[in-house]
Amino acid sequence: DTAVSQTPKYLVTQMGNDKSIKCEQNLGHDTMYWYKQDSKKFLKIMFSYNNKELIINETVPNRFSPKSPDKAHLNLHINSLELGDSAVYFCASSQDTGRTLAYGYTFGSGTRLTVV
Amino acid sequence: GDSVTQMEGPVTLSEEAFLTINCTYTATGYPSLFWYVQYPGEGLQLLLKATKADDKGSNKGFEATYRKETTSFHLEKGSVQVSDSAVYFCALRWKTSYDKVIFGPGTSLSVIP
Repeated sequence: DTAVSQTPKYLVTQMGNDKSIKCEQNLGHDTMYWYKQDSKKFLKIMFSYNNKELIINETVPNRFSPKSPDKAHLNLHINSLELGDSAVYFCASSQDTGRTLAYGYTFGSGTRLTVV
Repeated sequence: GDSVTQMEGPVTLSEEAFLTINCTYTATGYPSLFWYVQYPGEGLQLLLKATKADDKGSNKGFEATYRKETTSFHLEKGSVQVSDSAVYFCALRWKTSYDKVIFGPGTSLSVIP
């Protein structure tokens, strides 16, 4: 019944490794997002996909690559992990705004990535 | 540029105290305004929203009114409980060539018995 689910919940890995985080939503939403939350709780948008099309690609290192096989899934692959990548990564989804801005986001429970 | 400013935390209150968390914004266009709450170890949850001037959003005893003249959306609750301890985020959403959302920096609230 989980609306937006992310896996894994915790990820501990060594510098230089490559890892992926998966996200799935069962709400029928058209738009999905990846956010990074740092240790001070500040949220930074990374990517946004609408119906499998990349809409927002903020200034993030190109070691981060999103992939959306269909509109219910948005995965995040990270190459050559660095210490500074340690954070909590949140997936979110939203109904397409169209003419209205009334829709909020539904967030997953987050993936805590620790790079050692 | 477009931005959201929230009062700095952490905020510590005793149970049953009155809560106000200030939020002001600058935005081009006419945004919708939201408050989200993040409990420890969880993702953000939508708490309430308002889509036009003078609208009041409310949920779980929390309220916020969209004040266009002061570009504010302050969150209030008359009597907080220990279970309200969380981080609260103000956010605005608007559309230019694409959908844009900005989250404030978050305000941590601790309620003590």
